[in-house]
Amino acid sequence: EAQVTQNPRYLITVTGKKLTVTCSQNMNHEYMSWYRQDPGLGLRQIYYSMNVEVTDKGDVPEGYKVSRKEKRNFPLILESPSPNQTSLYFCASRGQGGPYEQYFGPGTRLTVT
Amino acid sequence: KQEVTQIPAALSVPEGENLVLNCSFTDSAIYNLQWFRQDPGKGLTSLLLIQSSQREQTSGRLNASLDKSSGRSTLYIAASQPGDSATYLCAVTSYNTDKLIFGTGTRLQVFP
Repeated sequence: EAQVTQNPRYLITVTGKKLTVTCSQNMNHEYMSWYRQDPGLGLRQIYYSMNVEVTDKGDVPEGYKVSRKEKRNFPLILESPSPNQTSLYFCASRGQGGPYEQYFGPGTRLTVT
Repeated sequence: KQEVTQIPAALSVPEGENLVLNCSFTDSAIYNLQWFRQDPGKGLTSLLLIQSSQREQTSGRLNASLDKSSGRSTLYIAASQPGDSATYLCAVTSYNTDKLIFGTGTRLQVFP
């Protein structure tokens, strides 16, 4: 089954404790990206990757890091989480050719206290 | 800068009604437009994708239209059911970007 998976699905942590949210897709997609969703602000892109070892900032990259060492994986790293990073996070992927349909993971609900 | 707006923000209808959700965008240079469904606290389910060269797409009781020149799309839901209750999001992909720009959604409630 074609899918995007994320782990963990729920995470409660404390300020400053480094964490990683993993994302994996089994569709051999070149493009992957991370979004966060906040009430009243909608979904906003954090980082994206066009292929292995190629990443770039989205609209709200501050406080996040990413890496793309393998085509299928695109982890999101919070080196020193803060309460304003409490949010619902989504990973997405799409193929290189049209129609550019994006597939989303199930989401990770992160709470930073 | 692309902006996507959805009207209404919330909608409550009795079961069986046909309804229309609206989405507008400010920059017509889009590659595609996607409609998603999101249940509370859950992920995004892709409902329909319309490429810029297309005028509409249909899936079951759902029909989405696209008027790129006027920057508008509508999602038509026929014979609504309580199971259709969710938030509906539209999003556009502009040319040469990977980024989806989302609207803030229409929260739909269908009551029996």
